[in-house]
Amino acid sequence: SQTIHQWPATLVQPVGSPLSLECTVEGTSNPNLYWYRQAAGRGLQLLFYSVGIGQISSEVPQNLSASRPQDRQFILSSKKLLLSDSGFYLCAWRADPGTGVHEQYFGPGTRLTVT
Amino acid sequence: ELKVEQNPLFLSMQEGKNYTIYCNYSTTSDRLYWYRQDPGKSLESLFVLLSNGAVKQEGRLMASLDTKARLSTLHITAAVHDLSATYFCAVGRPAGGTSYGKLTFGQGTILTVHP
Repeated sequence: SQTIHQWPATLVQPVGSPLSLECTVEGTSNPNLYWYRQAAGRGLQLLFYSVGIGQISSEVPQNLSASRPQDRQFILSSKKLLLSDSGFYLCAWRADPGTGVHEQYFGPGTRLTVT
Repeated sequence: ELKVEQNPLFLSMQEGKNYTIYCNYSTTSDRLYWYRQDPGKSLESLFVLLSNGAVKQEGRLMASLDTKARLSTLHITAAVHDLSATYFCAVGRPAGGTSYGKLTFGQGTILTVHP
């Protein structure tokens, strides 16, 4: 079966510090991977998606970047955090489109507070 | 630009009652997702609806899709306290091409079920 991991689970960082959040998926190959942010309140916003190693697309201009160094690893980074980067960061995966499986599954999330 | 609107945004129900959450979206899509989120937790996949007229049921929840009206409903039957959570609909476009399975989320409906 497939599982998705994220770490750390919680993080408190000062403004101006760097950030690295990691997401890994097990039990599948060539997944589509996604980073979402959920700000206080409720809405989820898609930040980045990736359809393969080294292939990253950004949905919104921002202070963050993403990388996919391995097939099942997705990293969210920042060189200098802003207060507005606070939120709940969720990684999600979707099976290779060729499988015909349509579900998109979310990881446990990382709660980031920038102080 | 795809927009997804849910209503109501807040729903307070008595146990045993029935109610429906509505999800309207603005452009053509053939994929509609429903998720549940408990406070402080990640999103749990409930249903994926893939075609016009699709209906899926799990326990006290039933979801349907009308692609012509661009409307999905999540019907709750005989609500129980354990159903209290935030419910999101999300609209996707087919993976492949330029869509890559990206999801656009509604604002979420906060459901509270009272004894």
